[in-house]
Amino acid sequence: TQLLEQSPQFLSIQEGENLTVYCNSSSVFSSLQWYRQEPGEGPVLLVTVVTGGEVKKLKRLTFQFGDARKDSSLHITAAQPGDTGLYLCAGAAGTYKYIFGTGTRLKVLA
Amino acid sequence: DAGITQSPRHKVTETGTPVTLRCHQTENHRYMYWYRQDPGHGLRLIHYSYGVKDTDKGEVSDGYSVSRSKTEDFLLTLESATSSQTSVYFCAISPRDRGEQYFGPGTRLTVT
Repeated sequence: TQLLEQSPQFLSIQEGENLTVYCNSSSVFSSLQWYRQEPGEGPVLLVTVVTGGEVKKLKRLTFQFGDARKDSSLHITAAQPGDTGLYLCAGAAGTYKYIFGTGTRLKVLA
Repeated sequence: DAGITQSPRHKVTETGTPVTLRCHQTENHRYMYWYRQDPGHGLRLIHYSYGVKDTDKGEVSDGYSVSRSKTEDFLLTLESATSSQTSVYFCAISPRDRGEQYFGPGTRLTVT
């Protein structure tokens, strides 16, 4: 059974701080996605990484796919209250399917 | 935003009754998915569809069935609802195999 473990599960930081969220597995993924979900809404895609070692930036967010395509990280620089939410990673797992990590709940305090 | 809606948005039902949730899309995407979201479990795949009348089971399919008779609609049926099926259900669509997914707003189901 493929599993995606995210750490930390919860993170509460002050505005302006930096943080990193990790997504780890023992399985290799052909691609990996990061989503953000706000309360009462569905997840919204932030980025897809495909190539081992790939780095993508989205404003203050930096995403990296591990060289072996088994892990990924999300780094946020100078966090803002608007970054608050549940961050989910999802790996492409077999034909047509994805598996999701358990999520990291981030709260940024003003 | 992708055109995807779910109905109903909230439902309370009794144990043992059948329940059908509807996912409707206007994007003409081939792939559709049903997930449930529970605290501590993230999103778990129930069933998915890779075309009209083409469906398959996900990791938590017991007690659920699906149908897709048209590109735009994907129905999830709880044949006999149980309290363990109390959850938030999300539908997602994707234009490509293992491509980006667009999620609906969710249905909160409570089984009493």
